[in-house]
Amino acid sequence: GEDVEQSLFLSVREGDSSVINCTYTDSSSTYLYWYKQEPGAGLQLLTYIFSNMDMKQDQRLTVLLNKKDKHLSLRIADTQTGDSAIYFCAEIPPTKASKIIFGSGTRLSIRP
Amino acid sequence: IAGITQAPTSQILAAGRRMTLRCTQDMRHNAMYWYRQDLGLGLRLIHYSNTAGTTGKGEVPDGYSVSRANTDDFPLTLASAVPSQTSVYFCASSDSVGLAGNEQFFGPGTRLTVL
Repeated sequence: GEDVEQSLFLSVREGDSSVINCTYTDSSSTYLYWYKQEPGAGLQLLTYIFSNMDMKQDQRLTVLLNKKDKHLSLRIADTQTGDSAIYFCAEIPPTKASKIIFGSGTRLSIRP
Repeated sequence: IAGITQAPTSQILAAGRRMTLRCTQDMRHNAMYWYRQDLGLGLRLIHYSNTAGTTGKGEVPDGYSVSRANTDDFPLTLASAVPSQTSVYFCASSDSVGLAGNEQFFGPGTRLTVL
């Protein structure tokens, strides 16, 4: 089936690293995405990774992909209050070229 | 300002009423989408359009209809609203449908409450 799964909530202390995890079911997906939704706004693409990569780093963001386990993670280093948002994992299965499959989203909250 | 606009921002609607949510993009994107966002369910695709003049059904199309008369506009209509359609609705667009690495751009959303 098509299911992208994420835990619903994550709370971290300001300055610590946040790790948001995601599992997906379509091993043939060639691109996997992380979208960010700030309060009261739509989603914005944060980063993406090709399936032939294990890791992608962009400033404070690190994406890790384990194709064998169909596991995707997003690490945010030195988490700041501005990182408070809902983070969505997403994939485009090649067999469903008309749509992106989104996870349920992980709400990241930052405590002082 | 380039991007996607949605109207209204929010709406309270009596059950049984007809409602059209508007979506306009000025990026000349071929593909447009309507999603609904519900707590714990993420985003679910309602309808999509590959190009002007074509539409397709998504994951949860029942009770909704769309049209794509031109590139810029993609209205979503609820013919007879029901309380289960209470949700936040997002419109999105992209350069094309289904291509790998294709980014979707989202509007700010419409919060709809059906009583």
